[in-house]
Amino acid sequence: SYVLTQPPSVSVAPGQTATFTCGGNNIGGKSVHWYQHKPGQAPVLVVYDDSDRPSGIPERFSGSNSGNTATLTISRVEAGDEADYYCQVWDVISDDVLFGGGTKLTVL
Amino acid sequence: QVTLKESGPALVKPTQTLTLTCTFSGFSLFTSGMRVSWIRQPPGKALEWLARIDWNDDKFYSTSLKTRLTISKDTSKNQVVLTMTNMDPVDTATYYCVRIRGYGSGWDAFHIWGQGAMVIVSS
Repeated sequence: SYVLTQPPSVSVAPGQTATFTCGGNNIGGKSVHWYQHKPGQAPVLVVYDDSDRPSGIPERFSGSNSGNTATLTISRVEAGDEADYYCQVWDVISDDVLFGGGTKLTVL
Repeated sequence: QVTLKESGPALVKPTQTLTLTCTFSGFSLFTSGMRVSWIRQPPGKALEWLARIDWNDDKFYSTSLKTRLTISKDTSKNQVVLTMTNMDPVDTATYYCVRIRGYGSGWDAFHIWGQGAMVIVSS
């Protein structure tokens, strides 16, 4: 079955750039969505269809997808960005929706 | 403004059936292309998709859980109901009701989430 692989943690200082990767076999051929999840709150969609931002999401959030890796980038990281970030795809072969294991962002 | 709210028991016993209700506002499942899903997150673990229901009553289930899940809707009440049979302690999780982005019959991102309902499975 299709697997999405995310590193467990990322740490950056405020003002720096945070990069989150999501690995999967030929993930570049799929649409990847990214969610931000803060403790005790509902997840928030921050990037959809690889690189589009929903209304209200700052331009600091951007995404890309090619080959075997999709990437979410947060520029000029703020303390308020500290959260878990999940990637998600739909796998046509299994007809299942899949989430990655999530990456915890720590702002130093 | 689109809102969704989950309701149901906070505690269920092993082998029991869980019934969760999602009551939403700001949109209607009468509208062509509208879709609602359920997703859960066990404590300390990743998100897991469970089921989806569409405006035309098409239904989709997680491959690994489909034998235990039933999703239904009451369009006039703006509600979506999820039942999960034979509950086990590993099903302890926060259960979210989510509206899928846009309009269509395929798959799109999970856009508007409810606050979630925590369900503990314990005897």
